[in-house]
Amino acid sequence: DTEVTQTPKHLVMGMTNKKSLKCEQHMGHRAMYWYKQKAKKPPELMFVYSYEKLSINESVPSRFSPECPNSSLLNLHLHALQPEDSALYLCASSQGMVSTEAFFGQGTRLTVV
Amino acid sequence: QKEVEQNSGPLSVPEGAIASLNCTYSDRVSQSFFWYRQYSGKSPELIMSIYSNGDKEDGRFTAQLNKASQYVSLLIRDSQPSDSATYLCAVYNYGQNFVFGPGTRLSVLP
Repeated sequence: DTEVTQTPKHLVMGMTNKKSLKCEQHMGHRAMYWYKQKAKKPPELMFVYSYEKLSINESVPSRFSPECPNSSLLNLHLHALQPEDSALYLCASSQGMVSTEAFFGQGTRLTVV
Repeated sequence: QKEVEQNSGPLSVPEGAIASLNCTYSDRVSQSFFWYRQYSGKSPELIMSIYSNGDKEDGRFTAQLNKASQYVSLLIRDSQPSDSATYLCAVYNYGQNFVFGPGTRLSVLP
């Protein structure tokens, strides 16, 4: 089983809203990632959690706030987003911080209006 | 800046032909290499991983790695229209995480 589950699949939010994206995996993976992908571009790394600790923040604006409540769950809290933040948000997980494969969830298509 | 480059597309091949996708990377200490397939509007799907020099075959897919030349490729034999997608090369460095190339769009013509 290589399933990473993301909810919701689609989200439309206003610039003053607060919303959260959720990601869950039950593969025992200890590294979890958030990526942002714009149309016709490769995924762009936002955050990495390793063993439930934030290990990489790629200078992401504070309107994006990650949270890792436990080893299976990863959240991305959104607040005061801008229309240019509209994108496909991808969660991925891998076994650890060594050379292993990363598996992606289906993504959340976010539209900021 | 660690970079991953891929041959620019779109790449068009007839059904049944071999599709060849190429990728080069700049960081000599890169450890792991992956090919992802991404259909339009969908998330990336891992199709191959390769860690050591040489070839690795899985069904119609063959990944080739040459660390001395900093080059990794993906061959798709007997290409099918369902193979039409964007193929992303990803390189992993411990502590750096995954760096993706820009992707090559493949079109398999019936």
